[in-house]
Amino acid sequence: NAGVTQTPKFQVLKTGQSMTLQCAQDMNHNSMYWYRQDPGMGLRLIYYSASEGTTDKGEVPNGYNVSRLNKREFSLRLESAAPSQTSVYFCASRQDFNYGYTFGSGTRLTVV
Amino acid sequence: AQTVTQSQPEMSVQEAETVTLSCTYDTSENNYYLFWYKQPPSRQMILVIRQEAYKQQNATENRFSVNFQKAAKSFSLKISDSQLGDTAMYFCAFMKHDAYGGSQGNLIFGKGTKLSVKP
Repeated sequence: NAGVTQTPKFQVLKTGQSMTLQCAQDMNHNSMYWYRQDPGMGLRLIYYSASEGTTDKGEVPNGYNVSRLNKREFSLRLESAAPSQTSVYFCASRQDFNYGYTFGSGTRLTVV
Repeated sequence: AQTVTQSQPEMSVQEAETVTLSCTYDTSENNYYLFWYKQPPSRQMILVIRQEAYKQQNATENRFSVNFQKAAKSFSLKISDSQLGDTAMYFCAFMKHDAYGGSQGNLIFGKGTKLSVKP
């Protein structure tokens, strides 16, 4: 099925470990996004990529890096995980000049 | 910067009754979109309804309708004939009209309202 695929769906990390969250879309969308969702905080934008080869910071970028590997893939990296990064992470994509977002199913990350 | 405020962290409603969720926003933009997203326990983000700011007519999708008051910067969601499957988190969201692509299309979310529909 066409859409946004996130891996993994669940992950437990120890403080200080690193990991990369993967996201891929097969809709030929230019824009891709990473959000985090915390209880009582809604979804907050971490990073976004308006086109292949470009990335920009969102509202809460500290502690994260991203890579727009190609038009399909947009990964989020935690270099040294902290308990404050325990959250649910959503990847999304959108075609330019269109309001419609397509969200992935999310990754629940726990840092202990 | 744009902000979206949902003042009701939790609400409950009896099955078959009507409930209204509130949302206010702040922006200096004239062209934008407003959305309500539903997030059931499955975590999936589902678009419920959208409103273009330039349209005066309130959007309606089956049992879901909005009351859009542009001057007051208010965008409430009314759910009629509530069903058990409406139990979910509901997020109000704002997006600038994407005339130029890029950051214009970033979604800004409120903190959400947890709705419980009781049998």
